[in-house]
Amino acid sequence: EDQVTQSPEALRLQEGESSSLNCSYTVSGLRGLFWYRQDPGKGPEFLFTLYSAGEEKEKERLKATLTKKESFLHITAPKPEDSATYLCAVQAPGGYQKVTFGIGTKLQVIP
Amino acid sequence: GAGVSQSPSNKVTEKGKDVELRCDPISGHTALYWYRQSLGQGLEFLIYFQGNSAPDKSGLPSDRFSAERTGGSVSTLTIQRTQQEDSAVYLCASSRSTGASYEQYFGPGTRLTVT
Repeated sequence: EDQVTQSPEALRLQEGESSSLNCSYTVSGLRGLFWYRQDPGKGPEFLFTLYSAGEEKEKERLKATLTKKESFLHITAPKPEDSATYLCAVQAPGGYQKVTFGIGTKLQVIP
Repeated sequence: GAGVSQSPSNKVTEKGKDVELRCDPISGHTALYWYRQSLGQGLEFLIYFQGNSAPDKSGLPSDRFSAERTGGSVSTLTIQRTQQEDSAVYLCASSRSTGASYEQYFGPGTRLTVT
């Protein structure tokens, strides 16, 4: 069974204090690994898709990386508006389109 | 353009009653997904549609849950004889097609409370 574990569950940073969120996954083959951002009371917002080990993608202060067992979401010099819950998800090969999500990391950036 | 919309935004129902949750996907998106998000738990995949067809319904929690999609557009998730454990936020997402290369766009969700 596909599994996604995110750590830490919660993270509090000072504005400008860079850090990384971890997503460990177990899947029989990997079709894609996804990162989403979710604000309170809203649906998740897509950030990145990574397909293979060694791949990296960047968007503003966020950079996602992927190895064969885990992914990291690096946040450089965060701002208060980066406060949200960050979700990681994986999709395995095959006709079944199931996506397995982790519980998420709740990030709070303090001014 | 318009995003994914869901209705109602909030629903409070009594245990044992049936509820219908509606999802309007982004126009032209052929794939549609339903998820459930409970407090302290990750998003739980329920079912997906490619067009009007749901190839695999094994993610539905019980036979009280059913879903349909008509005209390749609007989808309805029905929960019969609701139970308190059904209380959660139900999220719908759509994408241009199925597969990892097509990002999913989520709606705001329907918060269901069963009393």
